[in-house]
Amino acid sequence: AQTVTQSQPEMSVQEAETVTLSCTYDTSESDYYLFWYKQPPSRQMILVIRQEAYKQQNATENRFSVNFQKAAKSFSLKISDSQLGDAAMYFCAYRSGDMRFGAGTRLTVKP
Amino acid sequence: DAGITQSPRHKVTETGTPVTLRCHQTENHRYMYWYRQDPGHGLRLIHYSYGVKDTDKGEVSDGYSVSRSKTEDFLLTLESATSSQTSVYFCAISEGLGYEQYFGPGTRLTVT
Repeated sequence: AQTVTQSQPEMSVQEAETVTLSCTYDTSESDYYLFWYKQPPSRQMILVIRQEAYKQQNATENRFSVNFQKAAKSFSLKISDSQLGDAAMYFCAYRSGDMRFGAGTRLTVKP
Repeated sequence: DAGITQSPRHKVTETGTPVTLRCHQTENHRYMYWYRQDPGHGLRLIHYSYGVKDTDKGEVSDGYSVSRSKTEDFLLTLESATSSQTSVYFCAISEGLGYEQYFGPGTRLTVT
């Protein structure tokens, strides 16, 4: 079964600085999708960014970008110019058939 | 925001009682999902549906059943609730496989 690992249970960043959240996954598939979701204290799951495995170009959404290394099965999220509103749990997810989620990284943003 | 609602939003029930959670969508998406979220586990798929009356099991389906009689509604039933089913339950929808999933607000269920 595919597994998703987020090795950083907690991360902290100073406001306006950059932080990178790590994610690795295990799969034998060649065609799949990767996602980062944000879960603020409101508990709502919010899609941050999406990456198709067949695309070599890293996805970018405003201050959020990914570093997708297919051979290494790595999918990290970089948040630039961190804002207080970025504080949340971040979940990495993999999808070929079922969606599989990592255990999450809690990001704290210090003013 | 995707039109997804869940009811109830909070529920406390006793061990052994049946519980049904409802997910309702207004997006006409084909796929609907039920997940549970527990500390240290992220979200885990319970069941999903790929059309009316078409459902399949997910990673943690034991003790749960689902039904989908209409495109817009997906019900999750705990036939006899146990304390291990205390969790936050999320419904999600997507247009198809590979598409991003959009989540409902969640239901916090406590089984005493």
